[in-house]
Amino acid sequence: GDSVTQMEGPVTLSEEAFLTINCTYTATGYPSLFWYVQYPGEGLQLLLKATKADDKGSNKGFEATYRKETTSFHLEKGSVQVSDSAVYFCALTIRSNDYKLSFGAGTTVTVRA
Amino acid sequence: AAGVIQSPRHLIKEKRETATLKCYPIPRHDTVYWYQQGPGQDPQFLISFYEKMQSDKGSIPDRFSAQQFSDYHSELNMSSLELGDSALYFCASSSPPYGYTFGSGTRLTVV
Repeated sequence: GDSVTQMEGPVTLSEEAFLTINCTYTATGYPSLFWYVQYPGEGLQLLLKATKADDKGSNKGFEATYRKETTSFHLEKGSVQVSDSAVYFCALTIRSNDYKLSFGAGTTVTVRA
Repeated sequence: AAGVIQSPRHLIKEKRETATLKCYPIPRHDTVYWYQQGPGQDPQFLISFYEKMQSDKGSIPDRFSAQQFSDYHSELNMSSLELGDSALYFCASSSPPYGYTFGSGTRLTVV
């Protein structure tokens, strides 16, 4: 079935470090890909998305490029801040699954000052 | 801009009691989804509605039921609550194939 596999955490970084969270997907067809962020004690917020191959989603300094050839959607940020500490979920929707969101397991990121 | 509204934010119930969670989707979004997120886990799909009709069902226990009303708000009813039902319950709305907008969630604690 359609699924998402993302890098296991937790990840601990210092402020201004480079962050990469790997995400790969398995899908029969052409999914839309998303990154959601969940700050402590809060709900899920859409961070960025890409709906077709080679699209790049970007928001708040985060970027991810939809790579069909490697079935990947890795999340990157060049210089993290303490406020980026959160759980990050990679997810996909696809028409064949009625556009239900399928989440990865989540990666906990902690940024230290 | 209007967001997805969920109520209540927090709910404490005893075992075997019943709980009702409410969700008000973004206007003109035609699909509502319910997810359950246990501690330290990724959200699990429970059930969805498209234009007030149930469109899909995930790992939702038989003790749970949901419906969507004429004003498009949705309610998740949970009966005979168990300790393991303690979780964050998210509602989301969308107009596929675009991304969902999630509510802030209801944190249910069963004691």
